[in-house]
Amino acid sequence: GDSVTQMEGPVTLSEEAFLTINCTYTATGYPSLFWYVQYPGEGLQLLLKATKADDKGSNKGFEATYRKETTSFHLEKGSVQVSDSAVYFCALRVSRDDKIIFGKGTRLHILP
Amino acid sequence: KAGVTQTPRYLIKTRGQQVTLSCSPISGHRSVSWYQQTPGQGLQFLFEYFSETQRNKGNFPGRFSGRQFSNSRSEMNVSTLELGDSALYLCASSLQAATNEKLFFGSGTQLSVL
Repeated sequence: GDSVTQMEGPVTLSEEAFLTINCTYTATGYPSLFWYVQYPGEGLQLLLKATKADDKGSNKGFEATYRKETTSFHLEKGSVQVSDSAVYFCALRVSRDDKIIFGKGTRLHILP
Repeated sequence: KAGVTQTPRYLIKTRGQQVTLSCSPISGHRSVSWYQQTPGQGLQFLFEYFSETQRNKGNFPGRFSGRQFSNSRSEMNVSTLELGDSALYLCASSLQAATNEKLFFGSGTQLSVL
């Protein structure tokens, strides 16, 4: 079935470090891909999305490129801040049934 | 514009009881989806309602049910609670059916089953 696999956390980085959170997917057809972020005590918020191969989603300094050949959608940021500490979820939607499937989430800690 | 509101914020129940959770979507949103979030399984899709009709359903037992009212507010019910039902239950709304539009999430209801 359709699924999303994210790197396990927690990921701990120092402020201004480069961030990569890996995400790969399994899906039939051509899914849309998303990154959501959950700050402490809050619900999830859409961070960025890409709807077709080679699309790059970007927001708040974060970027992710839809790579069909490697079935990946890795999240990157060039210089993280303490305020980026949160749980990050990779997700996909397959048009076949419109369900949105989330990965298990990756907790990110940024140290000052 | 008010966000997605979930009530109650916290709930403690015992095994065998039933529970009803409520979700008020953003004004004008017609789709409401429910997710169960646990540390081990992450977010798992429960069901989606659109215009009072269940549009999609995840792989949960029949003890989990829901409904949507004409004002788009939604309720989720879990009967015969089990210890494993302890989780954060998140509700999300969107204008239309949950397609490529972004989902707006509430802060969740933390359910503890003792």
